[in-house]
Amino acid sequence: NAGVTQTPKFQVLKTGQSMTLQCAQDMNHEYMSWYRQDPGMGLRLIHYSVGAGITDQGEVPNGYNVSRSTTEDFPLRLLSAAPSQTSVYFCASYRGPPNSPLHFGNGTRLTVT
Amino acid sequence: AQSVAQPEDQVNVAEGNPLTVKCTYSVSGNPYLFWYVQYPNRGLQFLLKYITGDNLVKGSYGFEAEFNKSQTSFHLKKPSALVSDSALYFCAVRDGSGGATNKLIFGTGTLLAVQP
Repeated sequence: NAGVTQTPKFQVLKTGQSMTLQCAQDMNHEYMSWYRQDPGMGLRLIHYSVGAGITDQGEVPNGYNVSRSTTEDFPLRLLSAAPSQTSVYFCASYRGPPNSPLHFGNGTRLTVT
Repeated sequence: AQSVAQPEDQVNVAEGNPLTVKCTYSVSGNPYLFWYVQYPNRGLQFLLKYITGDNLVKGSYGFEAEFNKSQTSFHLKKPSALVSDSALYFCAVRDGSGGATNKLIFGTGTLLAVQP
């Protein structure tokens, strides 16, 4: 009963490097999403998906790509990392109805130098 | 577009005293409201959610939330604070209308500090 699993837990990148943050859930949840958490800004939605093959932009999508080829996995790609992307990233999922809570992973702390 | 406001960056309360963490929201359709708690270096844990028709909702760890439709508020409360309640609290809303139904939008968070 793993829930939402995020890897890696920590990552340091140099400006311009690319990487993929992994997210997997084993609860057969239709909806998956990525947030970033910054001090004083709360959690801001980057991208979300309502099912395999369907993705959409959230509040702060620039600089990030996502895809959803399976129900279980929702990776977040940084194509060319920038210092402004230094943050803690959370993946979350849920299955309807709309009053169901999100289930969160433990986060990935990313530093871009 | 939906939005959430948490007007206080920090709330300080003495152990044993009642606490309130404020949240107001804006949505087009019916609101689906949630409170989450985050302990240091951890993910977010679900505390409670609004249930249609219940103006006072009870959740985990003795927390409750009061829904006020006219004031568009969903304040988090606890009758007697514990030092172990010290954490970061987030209010979140999901708009029940159209294509926004799935997106959960969070407030900026309120740090609760309970002094012994």
